[in-house]
Amino acid sequence: DIQMTQSPSSLSASVGDRVTISCRASQSISSYLNWYQQKPGKAPNLLIYAASTLQSGIPSRFSGSGSETDFTLTINSLQPEDFATYYCQQSYSSPYTFGQGTKLDIK
Amino acid sequence: QVQLQESGPGLVKPSQALSLTCTVSGGSISSGGYYWSWIRQHPGKGLEWIGNIYYSGTTFYNPSLKSRIAISVDTSKNQFSLRLTSVTAADTAVYYCARAMTTMIDYWGQGTLVTVSS
Repeated sequence: DIQMTQSPSSLSASVGDRVTISCRASQSISSYLNWYQQKPGKAPNLLIYAASTLQSGIPSRFSGSGSETDFTLTINSLQPEDFATYYCQQSYSSPYTFGQGTKLDIK
Repeated sequence: QVQLQESGPGLVKPSQALSLTCTVSGGSISSGGYYWSWIRQHPGKGLEWIGNIYYSGTTFYNPSLKSRIAISVDTSKNQFSLRLTSVTAADTAVYYCARAMTTMIDYWGQGTLVTVSS
């Protein structure tokens, strides 16, 4: 199985900050990397797919980059509704594994 | 707008089988182009992909669960289902059904908590 490792596991930031979350794959996954946001008690929501393509309806302050094994999710100018847990997921090969999550909370 | 809704028992006894159904609205499973998925999330933990099914019935399972799971589809009811046998407390989780394109999951159900306990 491909292991997905996110860092940091948790992060405190303020409204208006720029934050980055990293995701590393245990082997090359080309650009088959997705990012999801999950709020408490809710299902995950797709933010970015194919490493850098913004899902329809997602604000442009979210962006993704990377390829092969190293990927980054960047959130510019944090808004109150962005405080949530973020997961990366590889869709390169089955089983389609997720990272352990990064919890972003208010400083 | 595609919507998915999980249904099934919220409590299952150890060693028994867990059965969940996902009803899809706003789109037809038979239209093709999508995989229909089950994902679970242990309490306070991360996400685990369980498996996918295509409208034709072709399935893809997580090897870690393959010996215990079966995913089926009923296109006449626009539903797909999960059966997980020989459950233990370790199978207690929120179970999500979802729609997946080849590379990402774009629609999720709200999730249903299944507790394994006697």
